[in-house]
Amino acid sequence: GNSVTQMEGPVTLSEEAFLTINCTYTATGYPSLFWYVQYPGEGLQLLLKATKADDKGSNKGFEATYRKETTSFHLEKGSVQVSDSAVYFCALSSGGYNKLIFGAGTRLAVHP
Amino acid sequence: DSGVTQTPKHLITATGQRVTLRCSPRSGDLSVYWYQQSLDQGLQFLIQYYNGEERAKGNILERFSAQQFPDLHSELNLSSLELGDSALYFCASSESQGGNTIYFGEGSWLTVV
Repeated sequence: GNSVTQMEGPVTLSEEAFLTINCTYTATGYPSLFWYVQYPGEGLQLLLKATKADDKGSNKGFEATYRKETTSFHLEKGSVQVSDSAVYFCALSSGGYNKLIFGAGTRLAVHP
Repeated sequence: DSGVTQTPKHLITATGQRVTLRCSPRSGDLSVYWYQQSLDQGLQFLIQYYNGEERAKGNILERFSAQQFPDLHSELNLSSLELGDSALYFCASSESQGGNTIYFGEGSWLTVV
């Protein structure tokens, strides 16, 4: 079945460091890929998405490229801020019904 | 603010009891989803409704049920509650039943004691 695997956290970085959170997926067909973010005490917010191979999703300085050949959708940001501290979830949807399958989540802690 | 509204935000109840969680989707969205987030299981899809009809089912226990009403709001009913049902329950909505971005509410925290 479809699944998403994320790197385990927590990831601890200093402010202005480069961030990479790895995400790989297994899916039949051509899934859409997403990154969601959950700030402390809040719900899930869509961060970015890509719907076909080689698409790049971007938002708030974060980027991820849909790589079909490596079945990956790694999240990157060039310079993280303390306010980026949150849990990041990689997810996919496949088929006609929008059902999202999530990875386990990666907690990011950014220190000044 | 995603536009998806969930009530209550927090709920504490005893084992064996029944609770109802309510969700109002974003204006214009016809599809509603329920997800459970727990420490041991992570984020799991429970069920999806589209325009009042069940469309997809995930790992939803038989003790749980849901429905979507004509005004498109949805309710998730949890009965015979067990300690392991303690979790954050998310509602989400999208414009149609496929191919759209899904927007999440802030969740309802359920604690079973």
